[in-house]
Amino acid sequence: GDSVTQMEGPVTLSEEAFLTINCTYTATGYPSLFWYVQYPGEGLQLLLKATKADDKGSNKGFEATYRKETTSFHLEKGSVQVSDSAVYFCALSDPNYGGSQGNLIFGKGTKLSVKP
Amino acid sequence: DVKVTQSSRYLVKRTGEKVFLECVQDMDHENMFWYRQDPGLGLRLIYFSYDVKMKEKGDIPEGYSVSREKKERFSLILESASTNQTSMYLCASSVLRSEYATEAFFGQGTRLTVV
Repeated sequence: GDSVTQMEGPVTLSEEAFLTINCTYTATGYPSLFWYVQYPGEGLQLLLKATKADDKGSNKGFEATYRKETTSFHLEKGSVQVSDSAVYFCALSDPNYGGSQGNLIFGKGTKLSVKP
Repeated sequence: DVKVTQSSRYLVKRTGEKVFLECVQDMDHENMFWYRQDPGLGLRLIYFSYDVKMKEKGDIPEGYSVSREKKERFSLILESASTNQTSMYLCASSVLRSEYATEAFFGQGTRLTVV
C-alpha cells in the first residue's frame, strides 16, 4: 500500500542554518504530495504542495520538489528562524488508491528546534 | 479562508462514557476525515466520509463510529471510552477531485483524556 517515510528527529539547528528534511514515498498511483507544519498546541497547516512530477512547491522560504524518479519530496529552507520551530509532516494523497477518495497518508513527523 | 472548527480543545472523560467529538467545516467540502495523533505514531486515519450519510473505515476504526447527517458536520463517537483512546483528535476536510488529490484543511484539534 501507499506509505510515506520521513527522517526521524528531533532536528536541532542554529538560527540561519540550512534545513533539509528528507521524505520518500511509495504509491501505487500518481499521488499529490504535501508538507504540513504543526506548531505547539495547534492543528496542522498546509505548508506547500505539488501535484505532478517536477512541480516545486514553495511557501515562507520553504521549498520541495516532486521527484518521481527518486520518489522523494525533500523539504528545504536556506535560513531557518526560531519561529520555524515546529513539527513537520510529509504526506501524500492518491485519489485513485483503493477508493480512498483523497485520504492523506502521513509520515511520522520531524520535530525541528531552532536555537537563537 | 477555509475554516474547520472542532467543538472542544480539551476534554476529560471517564472510562465507559460515550463521547462525541464534533467537527464543522464552512467550505462545502465533500470529504471529511478524523485522525488521531500519538507521539511516535504520527497521524492515523480513523474514519472518513466523502458524502452525506457515507462513511468508510480508515486504519484504526475499532472503538469508534461516525455520523455525517449534514455535509458540513462530521462527528466522531467513542462508544465506550477507554484509557487507550487518550489522544489528540484531528478533523480535516477537502474538496473531492478525480484528477488529482487536493490538500486537506485541519481543525485545531481536540486533546481527549480518558481517566
